[in-house]
Amino acid sequence: EAAVTQSPRNKVAVTGGKVTLSCNQTNNHNNMYWYRQDTGHGLRLIHYSYGAGSTEKGDIPDGYKASRPSQENFSLILELATPSQTSVYFCASGGQANTEVFFGKGTRLTVV
Amino acid sequence: GEQVEQLPSILRVQERSSASINCTYENSASNYFPWYKQEPGENPKLIIDIRSNMERKQIQGLIVLLDKKAKRFSLHITDTQPADSAMYFCAADTNTGKLTFGDGTVLTVKP
Repeated sequence: EAAVTQSPRNKVAVTGGKVTLSCNQTNNHNNMYWYRQDTGHGLRLIHYSYGAGSTEKGDIPDGYKASRPSQENFSLILELATPSQTSVYFCASGGQANTEVFFGKGTRLTVV
Repeated sequence: GEQVEQLPSILRVQERSSASINCTYENSASNYFPWYKQEPGENPKLIIDIRSNMERKQIQGLIVLLDKKAKRFSLHITDTQPADSAMYFCAADTNTGKLTFGDGTVLTVKP
């Protein structure tokens, strides 16, 4: 089965601090995604990538940066974390458009 | 872009009855409509999908219907079991590889 691994799985950060969430996939998928999940909002797309070196803004990119240094790795960066960024973050990977997207187990981030 | 509306947000049904979840989308270019199931504390997993060249697809007790004119698609779970209790998400893709999700439906199947 397709494997998407996120680290850390849980993180507590201080307001104003920098947070990096990491994601690794061994599926050789071109596309990777970062979503956040909040009660009442479902899954909202933050950033995505079509391949190494590329990043695109999703629907809610403000306050986040992304980095895709290789096919396998996709990071989400919060330069100045705020309590409103407390959420569960899911990384996902997918092949071509209109095919299955595979999600990691999620990272629970709490900003205090 | 795309906007997907999903209803109801909460659904409670009796075991062995049917459960239906409805989604609407805005962008007529959307051509791929997957459904994901998420158990508590777990990641979302694909359970069934339908492409725009189909109107109906069934995998065992799961049926998806697509009405492109109305920009509406739906998931029907027949003969529900307590194990079907979970969060369900619909999504749409405009052939960009970028999925837009609905806000989810919490399904509870009562024994």
